[in-house]
Amino acid sequence: NAGVTQTPKFRVLKTGQSMTLLCAQDMNHEYMYWYRQDPGMGLRLIHYSVGEGTTAKGEVPDGYNVSRLKKQNFLLGLESAAPSQTSVYFCASISYSRYDSYEQYFGPGTRLTVT
Amino acid sequence: AQKVTQAQTEISVVEKEDVTLDCVYETRDTTYYLFWYKQPPSGELVFLIRRNSFDEQNEISGRYSWNFQKSTSSFNFTITASQVVDSAVYFCALSEVYNQGGKLIFGQGTELSVKP
Repeated sequence: NAGVTQTPKFRVLKTGQSMTLLCAQDMNHEYMYWYRQDPGMGLRLIHYSVGEGTTAKGEVPDGYNVSRLKKQNFLLGLESAAPSQTSVYFCASISYSRYDSYEQYFGPGTRLTVT
Repeated sequence: AQKVTQAQTEISVVEKEDVTLDCVYETRDTTYYLFWYKQPPSGELVFLIRRNSFDEQNEISGRYSWNFQKSTSSFNFTITASQVVDSAVYFCALSEVYNQGGKLIFGQGTELSVKP
């Protein structure tokens, strides 16, 4: 049971390049999330998914796209990277059950630098 | 609108001092969860506690304790007899489970530095 994993752990992009961040969870969780963390701002939600084939926008969705083709995977895409997207990206998942075991499990993070 | 405020950006204490990290939240929901996470210098997010809105009992876990007061919309975190290993950024977060897809709203974080 690996929990939530993220690929890659580090990446440096040039402005205008594209890339995809992969989040995978082996806990059969329904809900998955992508957050970004910037200094002094905490974590902010980019996009999320409440089930396979469904996605929704979070607080800061511009410049990102997502897909949830399989329940265990949640992909975050940057079509044309910008320096403002330099950040640490965290993926999370939860098993939605009433009250008792509700907890978000976070991946280790991906540090992305756009030059 | 949902909001979490951690007014203390940085706190510096000397080892063995007690320290309280403040967290104030805003929500219109009656059913919600509050969380505290620790982010050590290594960068991962470590879950510390979850409290649901129906349970106002304070909780103690070793040197850690949490004070949840719905009347003041606060969920404060106290570390007793702080240690150098407690140095980290601490985040308070809110989740409105039924209306918002379970997403977390984070505070800005409080950076705690414990000096020997």
